Amino acid sequence: GAVVSQHPSWVICKSGTSVKIECRSLDFQATTMFWYRQFPKQSLMLMATSNEGSKATYEQGVEKDKFLINHASLTLSTLTVTSAHPEDSSFYICSATNRVEGNTIYFGEGSWLTVV
Amino acid sequence: AQSVTQLDSQVPVFEEAPVELRCNYSSSVSVYLFWYVQYPNQGLQLLLKYLSGSTLVKGINGFEAEFNKSQTSFHLRKPSVHISDTAEYFCAAPNFGNEKLTFGTGTRLTIIP
Repeated sequence: GAVVSQHPSWVICKSGTSVKIECRSLDFQATTMFWYRQFPKQSLMLMATSNEGSKATYEQGVEKDKFLINHASLTLSTLTVTSAHPEDSSFYICSATNRVEGNTIYFGEGSWLTVV
Repeated sequence: AQSVTQLDSQVPVFEEAPVELRCNYSSSVSVYLFWYVQYPNQGLQLLLKYLSGSTLVKGINGFEAEFNKSQTSFHLRKPSVHISDTAEYFCAAPNFGNEKLTFGTGTRLTIIP
């Protein structure tokens, strides 16, 4: 089946620095990708919709200046957490829609971010 | 808007016993439905999907689900579970007009040896 890859799988950064997470669709093109955040023992919370060639659409309550999203190509979206703080520590997951496969949505492996 | 309900937050099951994880959705028209599994500290893996056609859908790892339009349900079943099935299971459906997924709150399946 289709594969979505995230990198890095985990990252530790210092408070105040920025960190970038990549999401790639490996064998299909995705004009739309989604970024989620998951807190321990909870379901996924949608942060934003990443649109290839245009601005991302953010969910209510998500700071667009803090969570920068760039969808540079049909197979790559990046999430940059700027000026990270310990409360940004979380599990971040991306997804991409394979429209050729009946709009089946595939998820990346997730990225653990720890801000110290 | 679409809503997805997973009534059971935790389901403990003895090894080799059958299991059913419940999922109900809200909609008056055709829907797409997905079940995902999340193993500890990992992303989500697609277990199975219903897009159209046969209402009984078979997925990976011996799981299957039945789409029941009259009951607006999409329950996940496995006839005999293994320790390796211990994970969090999410039922999900995309919203109409966009591809945003609405998730259920998840069901933690714990297999008892």
